[in-house]
Amino acid sequence: DTGVSQNPRHKITKRGQNVTFRCDPISEHNRLYWYRQTLGQGPEFLTYFQNEAQLEKSRLLSDRFSAERPKGSFSTLEIQRTEQGDSAMYLCASSLASGVWELFFGEGSRLTVL
Amino acid sequence: SQQGEEDPQALSIQEGENATMNCSYKTSINNLQWYRQNSGRGLVHLILIRSNEREKHSGRLRVTLDTSKKSSSLLITASRAADTASYFCATEAAGNKLTFGGGTRVLVKP
Repeated sequence: DTGVSQNPRHKITKRGQNVTFRCDPISEHNRLYWYRQTLGQGPEFLTYFQNEAQLEKSRLLSDRFSAERPKGSFSTLEIQRTEQGDSAMYLCASSLASGVWELFFGEGSRLTVL
Repeated sequence: SQQGEEDPQALSIQEGENATMNCSYKTSINNLQWYRQNSGRGLVHLILIRSNEREKHSGRLRVTLDTSKKSSSLLITASRAADTASYFCATEAAGNKLTFGGGTRVLVKP
């Protein structure tokens, strides 16, 4: 099964440390999205790529957050100088860019900042 | 900020009963989608309804859309214990991204 893959699934870190999450989308999908979800809430949009171009970033994405998709395939989301408020599930999703589209989500990467 | 708001926030029903949840949104949309999320897992797409459609069916799911009221409903008929999950509506306006609501947590008791 070649669905959306996210790694690591769980990350526990101390405040102030940097963390990086990786997302491997479905291979033929040219759009890739990052969302953040806190307990009991719906996913909040962070950013998305079409191929290697980052086309939109949410105001939620402070300067401590950076996302890349260097070759238009996998993507990384890095959080620098983590804060306790960064604790959340980080969800990656991919889709095709044409027609009426739906998102295919990975299982998420859960971040706990102590 | 979240465009959609689901109602109710939580729903508890017996197996075999129908579950209905509603979603309201604020701006004009191209389409509205419903997703399901089991605890601690990723979201799974259930159904999509375009802005020019009023009703759509998929198996035990029925979705309605009223663009004049900016609202949608999801009906799950003959619920099963395996339908226990959180259900989210998501809207696509301009910009090629989905904006999700806060979700309805559904518990189906056997």
